[in-house]
Amino acid sequence: AQKITQTQPGMFVQEKEAVTLDCTYDTSDPSYGLFWYKQPSSGEMIFLIYQGSYDQQNATEGRYSLNFQKARKSANLVISASQLGDSAMYFCASSASTDSWGKLQFGAGTQVVVTP
Amino acid sequence: SQTIHQWPATLVQPVGSPLSLECTVEGTSNPNLYWYRQAAGRGLQLLFYSVGIGQISSEVPQNLSASRPQDRQFILSSKKLLLSDSGFYLCAWSTALGLSYEQYFGPGTRLTVT
Repeated sequence: AQKITQTQPGMFVQEKEAVTLDCTYDTSDPSYGLFWYKQPSSGEMIFLIYQGSYDQQNATEGRYSLNFQKARKSANLVISASQLGDSAMYFCASSASTDSWGKLQFGAGTQVVVTP
Repeated sequence: SQTIHQWPATLVQPVGSPLSLECTVEGTSNPNLYWYRQAAGRGLQLLFYSVGIGQISSEVPQNLSASRPQDRQFILSSKKLLLSDSGFYLCAWSTALGLSYEQYFGPGTRLTVT
C-alpha cells in the first residue's frame, strides 16, 4: 500500500516569489508515478505535473517543476514566480506499477495563498 | 478533445432519501472511471473504480454503490442517504494503459444531506 504525506497544511507566499510544497511518499512498489493536482475554490481538480520513478530528469511544466529525490522518497512541487491565480489547494498523489487500474493515492493537501 | 461532465452540480437531500449522481466522458473510448469523495477541508478518498462496462470495484465499504451501464457513463447511487454521505463527489477518468495514469476530473457535485 502507498501513503502520501503532505506536512504543510497551509502556506502564504508573496506574488512573484517561488514556493515549494513538500510531499513524501511511502511505497514498496518497484515503479510508480507521482502527480500534483491543483484544486481552486471552484472545486475542480486540475492536473499539473507527473514524474515517473525511473525518469532521470525532474519533470517541468511551465512554472511548475517537481523536485524528485528518490532516495529520500520525496517529490516536492516548486511553483516559480507565483501569481494570484495560484491560490488554491495542492495535492500530491501516487500510482503504483502493481496496480494496473491506475488508482491514485492522495495526500491531505496544502493550502496556498498568494498575497499581492 | 476529451471532456467529462457531472450532474447535478449541487444537491441537498434529506436523510433516508435516494441518490443518483451521473458522470459521462466524451472524446475517448474504454476509459478507466473513478468516483472520489472529499470531505470539507480534506483529501480525496477513492470510493469506486471501473475498467469496463459492468465492472465495478469498491474501495471502501459504505452506504453507496456504483454502476457503469455504458462505456462512458458512471453512476453513483444510494438507496438511503446518511448524514455522513455529505461531501464533494468527484468523477475522474484515465486512459487504460501505462503507469502515468494522470486522471482528469469532472467539476464535481456538492452533496449536502440534511
